[in-house]
Amino acid sequence: KNEVEQSPQNLTAQEGEFITINCSYSVGISALHWLQQHPGGGIVSLFMLSSGKKKHGRLIAPINIQEKHSSLHITASHPRDSAVYICAVKFISGSARQLTFGSGTQLTVLP
Amino acid sequence: GAGVSQSPSNKVTEKGKDVELRCDPISGHTALYWYRQSLGQGLEFLIYFQGNSAPDKSGLPSDRFSAERTGGSVSTLTIQRTQQEDSAVYLCASSLDRVANEQFFGPGTRLTVL
Repeated sequence: KNEVEQSPQNLTAQEGEFITINCSYSVGISALHWLQQHPGGGIVSLFMLSSGKKKHGRLIAPINIQEKHSSLHITASHPRDSAVYICAVKFISGSARQLTFGSGTQLTVLP
Repeated sequence: GAGVSQSPSNKVTEKGKDVELRCDPISGHTALYWYRQSLGQGLEFLIYFQGNSAPDKSGLPSDRFSAERTGGSVSTLTIQRTQQEDSAVYLCASSLDRVANEQFFGPGTRLTVL
């Protein structure tokens, strides 16, 4: 069964802390997306990756294809990073068109 | 426009009524997706359009849901005889082509069925 699991479900951190959100998936994928959903509901695509690691500002996202796992790291976290972070994958064995989404991680960064 | 737009931003309707939700993708994007996010739930795929190909309707929850995309651009998601369980945020996204490409999301339409 094609599944995506995220952890933790909720995460509270103090400003400045290093944050890690994990995403594991069950079978082979062709792409993995990290998305950010702000309290107002808007969704922004942070990264799309299929191998290696991507970095943008304070955000870093490595993926380990063999272990079927990716992480989203936030360095020097800030209250404005508070949002829901969603992992989504495109399974090789599934529909050629749709993404499967994790349940999301609610991150709260306290000042 | 610069991004994906959706209208209306909020829609309140009575049970049993039909509703239409509109999505304007980014110009030049051939792929368009509809998703649903129910309260406290994750994102759920509904339907996918790619160019002139037949849409992938595998995520539509019932035959009360339908969508069309005219001229390869604007898309309309129609829900007939709405039910309370249809209450959710309906999100539209577009990408250049295949689903592996980065998807750009619209702000969503919050539907409330009373």
